[in-house]
Amino acid sequence: ILNVEQSPQSLHVQEGDSTNFTCSFPSSNFYALHWYRWETAKSPEALFVMTLNGDEKKKGRISATLNTKEGYSYLYIKGSQPEDSATYLCAFCSDTGTASKLTFGTGTRLQVTL
Amino acid sequence: DTAVSQTPKYLVTQMGNDKSIKCEQNLGHDTMYWYKQDSKKFLKIMFSYNNKELIINETVPNRFSPKSPDKAHLNLHINSLELGDSAVYFCASSRVPLMNTEAFFGQGTRLTVV
Repeated sequence: ILNVEQSPQSLHVQEGDSTNFTCSFPSSNFYALHWYRWETAKSPEALFVMTLNGDEKKKGRISATLNTKEGYSYLYIKGSQPEDSATYLCAFCSDTGTASKLTFGTGTRLQVTL
Repeated sequence: DTAVSQTPKYLVTQMGNDKSIKCEQNLGHDTMYWYKQDSKKFLKIMFSYNNKELIINETVPNRFSPKSPDKAHLNLHINSLELGDSAVYFCASSRVPLMNTEAFFGQGTRLTVV
């Protein structure tokens, strides 16, 4: 059983605050680590797909880092805005041979208020 | 145009009935998936098809049967519905089966068995 854990479970910040979340995953049989943004009543949308140890990716005010040797990834949001309010999911992909699947964490629910 | 579309969005049905959820993607992807969001809000893989061929089949009751008439469609048929089948089911697709590419999700189908 693969355990993907995210912390914190929820977070409430004010507009303009910077914040970060953690995703922990198995450090063996690593293939890829995904981050998704999931707004209420919408579909999860991909933010980043990271495959190499030490990867750093950035999209606007959101960035992510990856440490496959110790099994963690951080997601950072700089200068949070109310539209950043969503659940942020990470998903671990292990190499199972010819097919790979995503194992999701339960997410970090972010609420940004004015 | 919606990239991955599921129908219906809501489904309320009685125990013992048979129902289907349809999924279509217009992205030209080779691989499609069904995920179930369980009571703890985890997204868990159920099935994956690549070019109409089943490649992932998790421990799912035999009452659940996926059908892929072509690579743009992956339908989920559920026989003899039980109360415990109530959940939100998500369809997704990716360009290739190996998850170093992002997955695109449908909006989910909320199934309620009464």
